[in-house]
Amino acid sequence: DTAVSQTPKYLVTQMGNDKSIKCEQNLGHDTMYWYKQDSKKFLKIMFSYNNKELIINETVPNRFSPKSPDKAHLNLHINSLELGDSAVYFCASSQVGQGGTDTQYFGPGTRLTVL
Amino acid sequence: GQQVMQIPQYQHVQEGEDFTTYCNSSTTLSNIQWYKQRPGGHPVFLIQLVKSGEVKKQKRLTFQFGEAKKNSSLHITATQTTDVGTYFCAGSGAGSYQLTFGKGTKLSVIP
Repeated sequence: DTAVSQTPKYLVTQMGNDKSIKCEQNLGHDTMYWYKQDSKKFLKIMFSYNNKELIINETVPNRFSPKSPDKAHLNLHINSLELGDSAVYFCASSQVGQGGTDTQYFGPGTRLTVL
Repeated sequence: GQQVMQIPQYQHVQEGEDFTTYCNSSTTLSNIQWYKQRPGGHPVFLIQLVKSGEVKKQKRLTFQFGEAKKNSSLHITATQTTDVGTYFCAGSGAGSYQLTFGKGTKLSVIP
């Protein structure tokens, strides 16, 4: 069974459209994240959710909105897509135990192409 | 905010040569993690270092955490084509579990 899954794997869309990417984890983790990886492979954290509460928001445009219906899911909704949004988006999860950071498990990624 | 710098950005080696990537933080880290991302894949956790001066080995990979807990390195002995990929370090500061990733080192191995 896949630990962290994302859908879709590929997303090609026109500028100005609204799209969503879904993420699910079956690890029982309490924290989930969204990362953006650009063409230069830089991994940048966008959001994280801990027990359904947003705890990090790395000043991404408000066109991006994370939505967590429960602690196993963290979806990413993007309004008014722009060319610069083209990237690979990774979902990840972790169990933040005592002592701080724990291992992050990444999903397979969603390659978003905005035309 | 916390910054994690990683060098080099790219490294091309002949198969059998050694490879090292270095990671430096602007602040003291509570721990550092290393991830590997194969071409077309997703980052996969390799190891976590927590203690000052810690050294851990995984077969041909050696990971070090500096005494001041502000730098780390990953050394691969006798590279193989299966080592190809981008290696990321990621650190978090004291009292925080937010990971800051370095920009990664992309390793190419020439057979």
